[in-house]
Amino acid sequence: QSALTQPPSASGSPGQSVTISCTGTSSDIGNYNYVSWYQHHPDKAPKLIIYEVTKRPSGVPDRFFASKSGNTASLTVSGLQPEDEAHYYCSSYAGRPNLVFGGGTKLTVL
Amino acid sequence: EVRLVESGGDLVQPGGSLRLSCAVSGLTFSSYWMHWVRQAPGKGLEWVSRIKYDGSFAEYADSVKGRFTTSRDNAKNTLYLQMDSLRVEDTAVYFCGRSVGAAVDPWGQGTLVTVSS
Repeated sequence: QSALTQPPSASGSPGQSVTISCTGTSSDIGNYNYVSWYQHHPDKAPKLIIYEVTKRPSGVPDRFFASKSGNTASLTVSGLQPEDEAHYYCSSYAGRPNLVFGGGTKLTVL
Repeated sequence: EVRLVESGGDLVQPGGSLRLSCAVSGLTFSSYWMHWVRQAPGKGLEWVSRIKYDGSFAEYADSVKGRFTTSRDNAKNTLYLQMDSLRVEDTAVYFCGRSVGAAVDPWGQGTLVTVSS
């Protein structure tokens, strides 16, 4: 199973919005509404910020918005803040193997 | 507070073995499936394995199948990853995490495994 495809980098100025894409196939993203997004700051535990395509866990600000169309999922971070600078990873349920992840996108807040 | 703490990472020679542990607190460990996920240096995340809440079933990524074994001790609230026949390409930070639907939440901070001669 190939990894999901994410752009290696994205950037935006404070207050702006940025969208990160995650492209899979009809065997993963296109077949299941089980896309998750994770925020990962260096040397910290990854943090779940989106699950089941669009849902935010308690405590995740609504500046984080996600969607899916066909085989591609997207994460939009609006009102960029310095603390949003991190790596972001998408994942999808894929049957077998259980989960497939994207290669990650480094978000830089300029 | 839910905490997951991995340990056991080390430098090991190719062909060697290592056992990782993940100590869990703050949740009913025996109620949840658990995952192992790894991140090689400079690379993205890669799912490794997951195990059923009672330990009766586990599944693995093709890259580790037949070499890695996931187990758990629900009395000790601890998850394990036995890694045998280690390869250079197994070098990574290994994370444990609770399975919540098709997501992983929360995660531990990881433990570094380096396979090198």
